[in-house]
Amino acid sequence: GDSVTQMEGPVTLSEEAFLTINCTYTATGYPSLFWYVQYPGEGLQLLLKATKADDKGSNKGFEATYRKETTSFHLEKGSVQVSDSAVYFCALSVTYSSASKIIFGSGTRLSIRP
Amino acid sequence: DAGVIQSPRHEVTEMGQEVTLRCKPISGHDYLFWYRQTMMRGLELLIYFNNNVPIDDSGMPEDRFSAKMPNASFSTLKIQPSEPRDSAVYFCASTVDRGVPEAFFGQGTRLTVV
Repeated sequence: GDSVTQMEGPVTLSEEAFLTINCTYTATGYPSLFWYVQYPGEGLQLLLKATKADDKGSNKGFEATYRKETTSFHLEKGSVQVSDSAVYFCALSVTYSSASKIIFGSGTRLSIRP
Repeated sequence: DAGVIQSPRHEVTEMGQEVTLRCKPISGHDYLFWYRQTMMRGLELLIYFNNNVPIDDSGMPEDRFSAKMPNASFSTLKIQPSEPRDSAVYFCASTVDRGVPEAFFGQGTRLTVV
């Protein structure tokens, strides 16, 4: 069935380091892809999205490119900050018959050291 | 719009008691999702509704869990009887069935069953 697999955490980096969080998916049809972020004590909020192959989503210095050939949507940021410490979720949305469904990966906890 | 509203934010109850979690989705949204988040299993989709009708409840762990959506602006998730292993953060999310279905999450209900 449809699923999302992302790299396990926790990931610990120093401030200003380069970040990559891997995400791959399995889906029938043409899903939309998302990255969500969850700060401590809060719900998930959308970070960026891409709706078709080769689209690049970007927000707050984060980027991810929809790669259909490798079924991937890796999250990257060139220089992380302490405030980026959070849990990051990769997700996809698919439509079954007449209903849509959003499927999340297991989440990757990111900690940034000053 | 105030966003997705969940209540209560925190709930502590004794094993065997009935627990009811509440959710008010964003006005105009067609879909409502209930998720459970734990350290061990990450974010699990329990059930989701489309236009107040349950579409997929395959994630509901067992018969002790039930969910209803009597109208477009209200949903409940009930656990009866509750058990310590039900302790988790429960999230409600809603989205529209137009364009790219970005999910909007509530703040969550942290449930502790002692």
